[in-house]
Amino acid sequence: DQQVKQNSPSLSVQEGRISILNCDYTNSMFDYFLWYKKYPAEGPTFLISISSIKDKNEDGRFTVFLNKSAKHLSLHIVPSQPGDSAVYFCAASDFSSGSARQLTFGSGTQLTVLP
Amino acid sequence: GAGVSQSPRYKVAKRGQDVALRCDPISGHVSLFWYQQALGQGPEFLTYFQNEAQLDKSGLPSDRFFAERPEGSVSTLKIQRTQQEDSAVYLCASSFLGNTEAFFGQGTRLTVV
Repeated sequence: DQQVKQNSPSLSVQEGRISILNCDYTNSMFDYFLWYKKYPAEGPTFLISISSIKDKNEDGRFTVFLNKSAKHLSLHIVPSQPGDSAVYFCAASDFSSGSARQLTFGSGTQLTVLP
Repeated sequence: GAGVSQSPRYKVAKRGQDVALRCDPISGHVSLFWYQQALGQGPEFLTYFQNEAQLDKSGLPSDRFFAERPEGSVSTLKIQRTQQEDSAVYLCASSFLGNTEAFFGQGTRLTVV
């Protein structure tokens, strides 16, 4: 049973437009959410995170929105750039794991930004 | 280097062979994680170390998988008697403490033939 789901395996967006990547989760114990970006042959790179006490976190072109009641989060990239083309993973963790914040990942969304 | 370093980058093993994958975490990082990423999937948790102590190994798929971090720095993931289903990218991640963002290495792509 997947606890973190990214239902769109791929997304194509025109350069300069907004990219919206979605993620749903089922475990109500999750209290911290992260987005990682992955280029081919590289490890995932941390992008942005949000705590469950917030509903929005912004960092430059990247904004993450959290809707706890819907168990849904989204990543907005504005404006999208060709260099943003990568696989984006949504990840979540919960404090019940104690001091270890092992992450539960979604299956990823391949974003392609067209020039 | 400043990042998490994993070696080898690629490993081809014959079925039944033992393999050892190495992870050099960022200096000073207390927490170290191993993940397994199958093709087209997200990484899945294998095991967690806090310094030299292995506090969680609940994600290890079988007793053929063994991890150690004897001096609280470098970690080795060992897979005995490899099978085809072990083919995946093995990712190591470290963080200063368990409750901060983890930094990932480039991974080791293991192919069992």
